[in-house]
Amino acid sequence: DAMVIQNPRYQVTQFGKPVTLSCSQTLNHNVMYWYQQKSSQAPKLLFHYYDKDFNNEADTPDNFQSRRPNTSFCFLDIRSPGLGDAAMYLCATSTQGGGPSYEQYFGPGTRLTVT
Amino acid sequence: QQQVKQSPQSLIVQKGGISIINCAYENTAFDYFPWYQQFPGKGPALLIAIRPDVSEKKEGRFTISFNKSAKQFSLHIMDSQPGDSATYFCAASGGNNRLAFGKGNQVVVIP
Repeated sequence: DAMVIQNPRYQVTQFGKPVTLSCSQTLNHNVMYWYQQKSSQAPKLLFHYYDKDFNNEADTPDNFQSRRPNTSFCFLDIRSPGLGDAAMYLCATSTQGGGPSYEQYFGPGTRLTVT
Repeated sequence: QQQVKQSPQSLIVQKGGISIINCAYENTAFDYFPWYQQFPGKGPALLIAIRPDVSEKKEGRFTISFNKSAKQFSLHIMDSQPGDSATYFCAASGGNNRLAFGKGNQVVVIP
């Protein structure tokens, strides 16, 4: 089945220790998103790639970076995690061709714990 | 500024009852309105979506009602089941690759 896969599902890192979360998709979608979701809150968009074009949200801290080496994979790098970065990180994909908005499909998420 | 306002914040419904969640938006450029269902520890799953050219869309026990003039849309869950207990997010998009989410509504269906 076509899907959005996130690894690992659970990640524990130490305060200030860089961490990378990964996302892959078999949907062949050209848009990939990274969201941060804290408990009892809506997902918050960090950034997205439209093909190879990177689009950062204005309020995304510099501590968060992303890479998309090819259509199928996208990585979220947190350079120096703080306690406030503990959250669920969600990857999503959609197909966009310049017309009306299309559905976003979410992965299962990676739960990040910062100790 | 919250672009999509969702109410109520939480809802308790008896099994077999109707769950109704309401959302309101301000941006008239929005042209796509999805609802997502999220279980604890899982990613949101697209449940049903509507575009402003129709006033209602039904898929199984889930119905979206859309009122363009009032800039409101709602999710109705008919014959609610305990397995429907989840958090529901409404969202809206205007073609800029971004979804504006409501704050979410926790629905609990009691047997």
